[in-house]
Amino acid sequence: AQTVTQSQPEMSVQEAETVTLSCTYDTSESDYYLFWYKQPPSRQMILVIRQEAYKQQNATENRFSVNFQKAAKSFSLKISDSQLGDAAMYFCAYRSGGGATNKLIFGTGTLLAVQP
Amino acid sequence: DVKVTQSSRYLVKRTGEKVFLECVQDMDHENMFWYRQDPGLGLRLIYFSYDVKMKEKGDIPEGYSVSREKKERFSLILESASTNQTSMYLCASSFLVSGYGYTFGSGTRLTVV
Repeated sequence: AQTVTQSQPEMSVQEAETVTLSCTYDTSESDYYLFWYKQPPSRQMILVIRQEAYKQQNATENRFSVNFQKAAKSFSLKISDSQLGDAAMYFCAYRSGGGATNKLIFGTGTLLAVQP
Repeated sequence: DVKVTQSSRYLVKRTGEKVFLECVQDMDHENMFWYRQDPGLGLRLIYFSYDVKMKEKGDIPEGYSVSREKKERFSLILESASTNQTSMYLCASSFLVSGYGYTFGSGTRLTVV
């Protein structure tokens, strides 16, 4: 069975600085997708970024980028120029590429605080 | 604006009550999911459905059941609420194609007293 591990329960970053959140996963599959979700205090889960395993190029979305290391099964999220609005719980998630009903498997989350 | 709507944001129920949590999506998604979120445990899948009247058990289905009579609506049922079911419940939906992520509702914080 696939597992997702986030080893940093809490992180803190100064406003305008860069922070990296770690995520590792375990799978025997070659076709899969990885996601980072943000959950602010409002509780609405928001998709931040997605990565397709067959793509070597790291995904980027404005200030958010990933470092996808397929051999190491690592999928870290880098937030550049951190803003107060980035404070939230961040979840890493895995979804198998095969089959139509495959579900998202989540890590336990990293709570990010942004200091002014 | 497309969305997933959960009927209640906060809910307080008594032990032994039958509890219904409702979720409606307007995106014509085939898949719908119910997750439970607890501190330190992340999100755990309770049940999911990939079609009307179809349901599959997730990782922690005990004490729960679901109903999907229409494509847009997915209900989570606590047959006899217990205090250990106090939690945040998140509904989500997605297209059948697995490369897409989920769209989530805003969650229902359920307290069983």
